[in-house]
Amino acid sequence: DAGVTQSPTHLIKTRGQQVTLRCSPKSGHDTVSWYQQALGQGPQFIFQYYEEEERQRGNFPDRFSGHQFPNYSSELNVNALLLGDSALYLCASSFVGQGTNEQFFGPGTRLTVL
Amino acid sequence: QKEVEQDPGPLSVPEGAIVSLNCTYSNSAFQYFMWYRQYSRKGPELLMYTYSSGNKEDGRFTAQVDKSSKYISLFIRDSQPSDSATYLCAMGDMNRDDKIIFGKGTRLHILP
Repeated sequence: DAGVTQSPTHLIKTRGQQVTLRCSPKSGHDTVSWYQQALGQGPQFIFQYYEEEERQRGNFPDRFSGHQFPNYSSELNVNALLLGDSALYLCASSFVGQGTNEQFFGPGTRLTVL
Repeated sequence: QKEVEQDPGPLSVPEGAIVSLNCTYSNSAFQYFMWYRQYSRKGPELLMYTYSSGNKEDGRFTAQVDKSSKYISLFIRDSQPSDSATYLCAMGDMNRDDKIIFGKGTRLHILP
């Protein structure tokens, strides 16, 4: 049973550029959440996608956008990159029908903005 | 006051000792509580999920929730060097939304 997968593993960009990160949820899961984890901090919730719609959003600017595809996979897009966007970006998946919010994380994409 | 407070450590204990990790929270609406383990440069791994006050045991791990005190704990028995990692507490309120709020994490070192 494949767990949550993310690509790429690492990414280096320069300020002002745009980036797209990808996530495939655990088999049987239909909901994808994205988190940003700065060094030495806990993950911060960015947004959650369910049925191809943004369901919840944290305190992140509109530069952060996402998408969910019919196969439940998801993308996170960040425009106009800032140095402060350097972080580990985590994707987590869950199943709405389970009635709980147990979320399972992928290995993350480490983004460095120079 | 932050919604979730967690001592960042580091916490160093000898192999075989009982480890106690704790978080406090301010939002009485939180209904479910989780503990994750995160190894360096890896994603968090779900260890325990609890939905009510009291204790939940899984192998060497015991999660404890005290909603009246807004305090949760994770106990690790017979600690092993492989338990060395960062432990993150997390919690949420499914009635309000599904956002999970994480603590900063406690770095744990088990000394052989």
